[in-house]
Amino acid sequence: AQKVTQAQTEISVVEKEDVTLDCVYETRDTTYYLFWYKQPPSGELVFLIRRNSFDEQNEISGRYSWNFQKSTSSFNFTITASQVVDSAVYFCALSGETGGGNKLTFGTGTQLKVEL
Amino acid sequence: GAGVSQSPRYKVAKRGQDVALRCDPISGHVSLFWYQQALGQGPEFLTYFQNEAQLDKSGLPSDRFFAERPEGSVSTLKIQRTQQEDSAVYLCASSLVSGHSTDTQYFGPGTRLTVL
Repeated sequence: AQKVTQAQTEISVVEKEDVTLDCVYETRDTTYYLFWYKQPPSGELVFLIRRNSFDEQNEISGRYSWNFQKSTSSFNFTITASQVVDSAVYFCALSGETGGGNKLTFGTGTQLKVEL
Repeated sequence: GAGVSQSPRYKVAKRGQDVALRCDPISGHVSLFWYQQALGQGPEFLTYFQNEAQLDKSGLPSDRFFAERPEGSVSTLKIQRTQQEDSAVYLCASSLVSGHSTDTQYFGPGTRLTVL
């Protein structure tokens, strides 16, 4: 079975601090994909990034960066110099061939609060 | 271009009523997904369509839940004889090509269903 664990339920930081959101996954698939989505108070899930299991290169996009480590089954997300607009719930998700290859398995999310 | 749209955004139903939730996917997207998100939880898969064919309905919680996509575009999720435990946000997502773990799913704003 596939599983995604986001152990941090809620994180509060002061603006301009760096923050890392943890994601640990379980899968028996050799080919799988990992995703991060942002859910602001409006409710819509906003796609942030997709990584496949064969590409362990870290990725940076502006203030966002992702650290994928297969050895520890982790796909962590770091926001540098956080801003109030980053306040949202962030979900890590996994898809793979097991279970149909198309459905996403989500973690329970991490609520990030960025305060002035 | 337009994203995934859902209507209504909010729905209040009395226990025992039937409800119908609509999803308009991104134009040209072949795959369409429904997820259920309980308060404080991550989305959970309900069902998946490739064009008009419902290829996976393993996540539908009971036979009171029914989904259709008759012309391969707009989809409707119907819940018969609603129960309080059906209260949740129902999210629709679409992806460009046939369902595969590589595809990125783009989500709509969701319909918040409250059953009294």
